[in-house]
Amino acid sequence: EPEVTQTPSHQVTQMGQEVILRCVPISNHLYFYWYRQILGQKVEFLVSFYNNEISEKSEIFDDQFSVERPDGSNFTLKIRSTKLEDSAMYFCASSPPGPYYEQYFGPGTRLTVT
Amino acid sequence: AQRVTQPEKLLSVFKGAPVELKCNYSYSGSPELFWYVQYSRQRLQLLLRHISRESIKGFTADLNKGETSFHLKKPFAQEEDSAMYYCAIEGGTSYGKLTFGQGTILTVHP
Repeated sequence: EPEVTQTPSHQVTQMGQEVILRCVPISNHLYFYWYRQILGQKVEFLVSFYNNEISEKSEIFDDQFSVERPDGSNFTLKIRSTKLEDSAMYFCASSPPGPYYEQYFGPGTRLTVT
Repeated sequence: AQRVTQPEKLLSVFKGAPVELKCNYSYSGSPELFWYVQYSRQRLQLLLRHISRESIKGFTADLNKGETSFHLKKPFAQEEDSAMYYCAIEGGTSYGKLTFGQGTILTVHP
């Protein structure tokens, strides 16, 4: 069964550095998402992406964040200048077209900002 | 703004006992409700969604618009049901945006 993959599984970075989190969605899916979960808190929506543009973003997704689908398979989340509070588990998800479809989640990347 | 509340952080039952995981939501329109589950060391995965009206692994959930609830139930819990359960809502123009509750850790004791 196809799965969403994410790399790396764990990333440690220093405050102020740029990080790129990578995701490979399921190949015939058209909608892509990023969520994050700070330790002990709920899973929070960051951004959705369709047809090479952002469909919706949350208030968390400020100018420090960007997403890109650089080729036909990867979907990336970039944080330009990381802060301590960016430390969290970041989940990528993808879904087929249409409303209320199941979102398939990746295993997550744990980002630690020191 | 849409919101999901799962009042129980932890829930423990014995094998064979009924289980109910509570979920309340706030949303002014007609949302779609989901239950996602995360088993130990596995990824988040869909358990069931209201629109499908399915019963998965013996779990059911009924949308009660009057009480704005979508509680998850199973008549006889199994040890393999032990996991983290998240209620989530997707609504209106926020297409694809899932809003999650805090999650409930269910432990089923032998």
